[in-house]
Amino acid sequence: GAVVSQHPSRVICKSGTSVKIECRSLDFQATTMFWYRQFPKQSLMLMATSNEGSKATYEQGVEKDKFLINHASLTLSTLTVTSAHPEDSSFYICSATAGAGGHNEQFFGPGTRLTVL
Amino acid sequence: AQKVTQAQTEISVVEKEDVTLDCVYETRDTTYYLFWYKQPPSGELVFLIRRNSFDEQNEISGRYSWNFQKSTSSFNFTITASQVVDSAVYFCALSEAEETASKLTFGTGTRLQVTL
Repeated sequence: GAVVSQHPSRVICKSGTSVKIECRSLDFQATTMFWYRQFPKQSLMLMATSNEGSKATYEQGVEKDKFLINHASLTLSTLTVTSAHPEDSSFYICSATAGAGGHNEQFFGPGTRLTVL
Repeated sequence: AQKVTQAQTEISVVEKEDVTLDCVYETRDTTYYLFWYKQPPSGELVFLIRRNSFDEQNEISGRYSWNFQKSTSSFNFTITASQVVDSAVYFCALSEAEETASKLTFGTGTRLQVTL
């Protein structure tokens, strides 16, 4: 199957700093990338959907000014958590799909564990 | 709006037992896709199966089998002769075909613990 990478895999930062997480599709062009957040022992919650070259679509309740998403190319999307606070500590997972439509499989990255002190 | 319910929060079995993980979904679409993912302690999601709404045939892959019942909106997952390596959180998910962005809605997950 297709490979999606995330970097970094783990990050610890101080409250108030910004953290950038990269999501790359390594062997296919991803027209759409998704960002999910997973709190401990909870399910994955979709944060936003990003399409290459256009603005991301955020889910209800997700602050677009806090979670900046850039999908600059067909193989790279970045999520920046601005002015991170302890409540932003979570497991962030990206996924990528090569086409539109619900039949297209999403390929998931390994996740990034963010801890804000 | 779509919804996925996994009523079993945690299941504990002894190795070699069979175990069934339940998944019930809600959707207004006639065309949709159902998925199962495994999330081991490492956190990475492992794709297990995708099934479209027009294919109600049950599927078997090794020790894994899936029972899709459209009449009850269920897509249950059975592990036969469970092994310790099966210990993980299992998520059922739904994607509606009309969605151009292939958005996935996940259930809350079932944590499976297989002990010796």
